[in-house]
Amino acid sequence: QVQLQQSGPGLLKPSQTLSLTCAISGDSVSSQSATWNWIRQSPSRGLEWLGRTHFKSKWYSESAISVRGRITIIPDTSKNQFSLQLNSVTPEDTAVYYCARAQVENFDYWGQGTLVTVSS
Amino acid sequence: EIVLTQSPGTLSLSPGERATLSCRASQSIDTIDLAWYQQKRGQAPTLLIYGTSSRATGIPDRFSGSGSETDFTLTISRLEPEDFAVYFCQQYGGSPLYTFGQGTKLETK
Repeated sequence: QVQLQQSGPGLLKPSQTLSLTCAISGDSVSSQSATWNWIRQSPSRGLEWLGRTHFKSKWYSESAISVRGRITIIPDTSKNQFSLQLNSVTPEDTAVYYCARAQVENFDYWGQGTLVTVSS
Repeated sequence: EIVLTQSPGTLSLSPGERATLSCRASQSIDTIDLAWYQQKRGQAPTLLIYGTSSRATGIPDRFSGSGSETDFTLTISRLEPEDFAVYFCQQYGGSPLYTFGQGTKLETK
């Protein structure tokens, strides 16, 4: 059974960097049949896919245009986890952030969610 | 961007009734690329249906999905008390890679 456990701070000030980690059990971040994703949910934007990392002979990362230039998703094979960094946050980045596994077309396992609030 | 529009926004039904939820795409998508999720308050979404009509592991057979091209449907044949939740459709492909509908809230009448 795959489990994803999220960790990271929930309160940030504008311009700071959001950092969250997703620890994987029951699968490997290096799996060549899965991708590792970050998704957020807010009342104003709904569910929004942010980006992913995956390994297929080498490491790949893709991100949504809405956050491109501010987002980094980093795999950590030594700890079997992956991380999200989102720079220069504003109040519009306030949301519940989820990590999730995808086997191509859909998300079959999700983390528990982390409410991140950006406020001065 | 492929936009998914769900209707109705809220559906009020009673246990035992049949629920029909709609998801319309702004352009044609492959059936393999359409999924449905259930989300209960305070929880992460749970995968219900993938590939338009295949039930995820452990999902009861009262849940079914159908559709093609731009019109997709999630049907719950006989509502159980635990089915009252918010339902989202999701598609894969294009840019951004994944998009979600805005959700349909299924509430008790």
